[in-house]
Amino acid sequence: DIQLTQSPSFLSASVGDRVTITCRASQGISSYLAWYQQKPGKAPKLLIYAASTLQSGVPSRFSGSGSGTEFTLTISSLQPEDFATYYCQQHNGYPITFGQGTRLEIK
Amino acid sequence: QVQLQESGPGLVKPSETLSLTCTVSGGSISTYYWSWIRQPPGEGLEWIGYIYYSGSTNYNPSLKSRVTMSIDTSKNQFSLKLSSVTAADTAVYYCAREVAGSSYFDYWGQGTLVTVSS
Repeated sequence: DIQLTQSPSFLSASVGDRVTITCRASQGISSYLAWYQQKPGKAPKLLIYAASTLQSGVPSRFSGSGSGTEFTLTISSLQPEDFATYYCQQHNGYPITFGQGTRLEIK
Repeated sequence: QVQLQESGPGLVKPSETLSLTCTVSGGSISTYYWSWIRQPPGEGLEWIGYIYYSGSTNYNPSLKSRVTMSIDTSKNQFSLKLSSVTAADTAVYYCAREVAGSSYFDYWGQGTLVTVSS
């Protein structure tokens, strides 16, 4: 199985900050990486797929980059509604696997 | 707008079989892969497997021996059965639509908590 490791696991930031979350894969997955946002008690929401393609309706302050084994999710200017947990997911092959999550909290 | 809704018992006894159904509305169940994903309380996400509208399946090897998925295209529903459950199977279970051939999930159900306890 492909292991995904996110860093940091916990991040404290303020409204307006620029934040970056990293996801590292245990083997190369080309650009087959997705990012999700999950708020408490809710299902995950797809933000980005294919490493850098923004899902329809997702604000442009979210962006993704990377290929191979290292990927990043960047939020350019944090908004109050962005405080949530973020997961990466590889869609290079089966079994599909997720990172352990990064919890983003208000400083 | 596509919507998914999980249904089934919220409490299952140890060693019994967990059974859930996902009803798809606002779109056809055909031409997509339909997955089950679970999340133990306070933990991360685990993909359980998918079923294609044709009935073909792909299960996570970690659960393969206990998982069975089925689909009823006439009702726009698909189902999950997980046998011989233990407390470790306590989780929120989500159904999700997998973009065909792409293996990421664009629509999710709201999730249903299944607790394994006697």
